Amino acid sequence: DVKVTQSSRYLVKRTGEKVFLECVQDMDHENMFWYRQDPGLGLRLIYFSYDVKMKEKGDIPEGYSVSREKKERFSLILESASTNQTSMYLCASSPPGHSNSPLHFGNGTRLTVT
Amino acid sequence: KQEVTQIPAALSVPEGENLVLNCSFTDSAIYNLQWFRQDPGKGLTSLLLIQSSQREQTSGRLNASLDKSSGRSTLYIAASQPGDSATYLCAVRPADQTGANNLFFGTGTRLTVIP
Repeated sequence: DVKVTQSSRYLVKRTGEKVFLECVQDMDHENMFWYRQDPGLGLRLIYFSYDVKMKEKGDIPEGYSVSREKKERFSLILESASTNQTSMYLCASSPPGHSNSPLHFGNGTRLTVT
Repeated sequence: KQEVTQIPAALSVPEGENLVLNCSFTDSAIYNLQWFRQDPGKGLTSLLLIQSSQREQTSGRLNASLDKSSGRSTLYIAASQPGDSATYLCAVRPADQTGANNLFFGTGTRLTVIP
């Protein structure tokens, strides 16, 4: 079974702090994604990566950056956390290209910025 | 841009009832459609994936159908159980993307099965 692991289930950070959210997958998937999930808005894509050191902006990249130095690890960085970044963050992975394999998600990190 | 809608937002049924969850999407040019389950405070678990060339997929008590031309999918749950209580989300993968292929998600239907 594919396992996607997010390092923290809950995080509380202060406004202005730099925040790192880590995600690791064990199935050698090329594609990795970061979403945020908010009530009434559903899941929105922040960034995705289709290979090591490659990244693409999603729908809401402002205020975020990402890092993919190794295939199995995809990090989401909040350069200067703000209260409107309080949310549930979900990492996912999938095989490459136009695939009929499902997306595999981690358990999520609930981030609160005070 | 693709928009995915799930109605109703919440549904309560007594245990043992059969039920149908609905998903509609605005652009019929899709590669596949996926149904996910999300338990409170957790990530998403993939339930069923229907390719654009398929009409339905089944897994145990779950059956998902796809009518691409009308932009609709349904998830049928037979003989519901309290353990089925969760939020169910559908997501479509557009046909015209290459590379990493984003999904467009609905906001989900929160199902409660009452013992």
